[in-house]
Amino acid sequence: DSGVTQTPKHLITATGQRVTLRCSPRSGDLSVYWYQQSLDQGLQFLIQYYNGEERAKGNILERFSAQQFPDLHSELNLSSLELGDSALYFCASSVNLEAIDEQFFGPGTRLTVL
Amino acid sequence: DQQVKQNSPSLSVQEGRISILNCDYTNSMFDYFLWYKKYPAEGPTFLISISSIKDKNEDGRFTVFLNKSAKHLSLHIVPSQPGDSAVYFCAASVGAQKLVFGQGTRLTINP
Repeated sequence: DSGVTQTPKHLITATGQRVTLRCSPRSGDLSVYWYQQSLDQGLQFLIQYYNGEERAKGNILERFSAQQFPDLHSELNLSSLELGDSALYFCASSVNLEAIDEQFFGPGTRLTVL
Repeated sequence: DQQVKQNSPSLSVQEGRISILNCDYTNSMFDYFLWYKKYPAEGPTFLISISSIKDKNEDGRFTVFLNKSAKHLSLHIVPSQPGDSAVYFCAASVGAQKLVFGQGTRLTINP
């Protein structure tokens, strides 16, 4: 158990819909990262927040957005969903803001868009 | 543009032998490299890392080698154990910023 929790574990929805994925980082961790893992693909970095502020952006679509709240939990919002958005979405956390610090990953949310 | 590539989707090794997982990169600006391991239904876990100022880093049964001229990274596991069966991802970073991951290699250790 990494100490990072993600809800829900599974999500099935239809094209055009909007969903919210939630992540609670390890106690004391200020950085939260979001990653997408599509079928047969590696982890694609989406976005990083550090202590409530956006820190770094990766290959995140404009239809996707995220935020980190004062209690440090984070939400990833995916809208106008397409079939290609079906993937595993991981959240990770770390103490500091540097991405090379050990990141602790949650178990992921599997999103299926039908 | 795949900046970090793991060209072997899978690898099968006998228990007790050496496992060698390879990773190639194209961006010469990468200055830090990491390996993560992933079991099914779990998130990845950090395994070992290396800075570009080194060419080798060892942690128990795990050793990472970096060949900057060849832009090549490898992870050696010796001796391999059944619990090492997992998917291994290499990742790279420029200036401690966002990580770029490879596609992963599924390692199977056979008894």
